Amino acid sequence: AQTVTQSQPEMSVQEAETVTLSCTYDTSESDYYLFWYKQPPSRQMILVIRQEAYKQQNATENRFSVNFQKAAKSFSLKISDSQLGDAAMYFCAYSNNTGNQFYFGTGTSLTVIP
Amino acid sequence: DTGVSQNPRHKITKRGQNVTFRCDPISEHNRLYWYRQTLGQGPEFLTYFQNEAQLEKSRLLSDRFSAERPKGSFSTLEIQRTEQGDSAMYLCASSFSSYGYTFGSGTRLTVV
Repeated sequence: AQTVTQSQPEMSVQEAETVTLSCTYDTSESDYYLFWYKQPPSRQMILVIRQEAYKQQNATENRFSVNFQKAAKSFSLKISDSQLGDAAMYFCAYSNNTGNQFYFGTGTSLTVIP
Repeated sequence: DTGVSQNPRHKITKRGQNVTFRCDPISEHNRLYWYRQTLGQGPEFLTYFQNEAQLEKSRLLSDRFSAERPKGSFSTLEIQRTEQGDSAMYLCASSFSSYGYTFGSGTRLTVV
């Protein structure tokens, strides 16, 4: 069974600094998708970034980028120039290539210190 | 279309009562998912529809839970004979492909 592990329950970062959130996963598939979702206190989950496993190039979305290490089954999220609005729970998620279901980690609560 | 809509936002019910939640996905999305999220945990998969067909169902979905998507548009999730352990946030999401979900704001269920 696929599992997603986020080993950092809580992280904090100074405003304008950079923070990296860790995620590891376990799968026997070769083709799959990985995602980072943000869940602010309002509770609606928002897609931050996605990575296709067949792509070697790391995905980037503005201040958000990933470090995808397929062999190590690692998928970390880097947030640059952190802003107060980045404060939220961040979930790493895995999906097989059919997208029939996603597997989520337990989340990392990010605090941004002004 | 403003996204995935879920109703009600909050539901308090007595143990043993039945409850029904509704999800209206983004109109062009053919896939619809239900997840359950308890405090401090990530969402757990419950069930998945492609159009009106229920294609996947988690073992978490006991026989007290049933979901429908009668015309491939909105979906309902019913919980019969609610138990205190059913208290959670129930999230609906929709997608057009494997690209990634769009989530609704969820329905928070409290069973007293």
